[in-house]
Amino acid sequence: EAGVAQSPRYKIIEKRQSVAFWCNPISGHATLYWYQQILGQGPKLLIQFQNNGVVDDSQLPKDRFSAERLKGVDSTLKIQPAKLEDSAVYLCASSLQVGSGVGAKNIQYFGAGTRLSVL
Amino acid sequence: QKEVEQNSGPLSVPEGAIASLNCTYSDRGSQSFFWYRQYSGKSPELIMFIYSNGDKEDGRFTAQLNKASQYVSLLIRDSQPSDSATYLCAVNMVKGSNYKLTFGKGTLLTVNP
Repeated sequence: EAGVAQSPRYKIIEKRQSVAFWCNPISGHATLYWYQQILGQGPKLLIQFQNNGVVDDSQLPKDRFSAERLKGVDSTLKIQPAKLEDSAVYLCASSLQVGSGVGAKNIQYFGAGTRLSVL
Repeated sequence: QKEVEQNSGPLSVPEGAIASLNCTYSDRGSQSFFWYRQYSGKSPELIMFIYSNGDKEDGRFTAQLNKASQYVSLLIRDSQPSDSATYLCAVNMVKGSNYKLTFGKGTLLTVNP
């Protein structure tokens, strides 16, 4: 079974430039997540999609970050304009929820990530 | 209080020893708990999950959950140098009608040959 695919693997840009990341989840996984992981910290959720709808974007800096998941499969995350503090690894994950309520099982699988350096 | 807390380490153990990694969480309503391993420069890889109080064993790994104490741990028996990595504790917290996976900062484990 193919895993979560992300591209590019690395990106170096200057501040105020724009950048976009792409993610293709595991086939059949309805839920897709974008995380930001700054060096030395755990991943922080930026946005969660259920099919092509946004479930949680409470920690997405909406003045500069945007994300979409057209057709409920692939997703793109964009930063415009980038700041120095956006330097991080951007991880995409997908999951398939089995069951509902407190007994639901929802295991997330991560892609390899995109390492962004903003100079 | 942070939602998920871990000792950042580094935790250093000799090869063959038991490594014990600990995690506490703030949301008493949390139902599912995960341990991810992350090698330097790589993405997180799921190694264990646990939903019920008690112990869950998988090979050299044992996850322990105590919901009353809001505590989850991971034991690695017969530690190997290949186990050297950062171990992330993640807790699935209920946010309204949705579940949100919240990660700790991770504990860096070093297994010395």
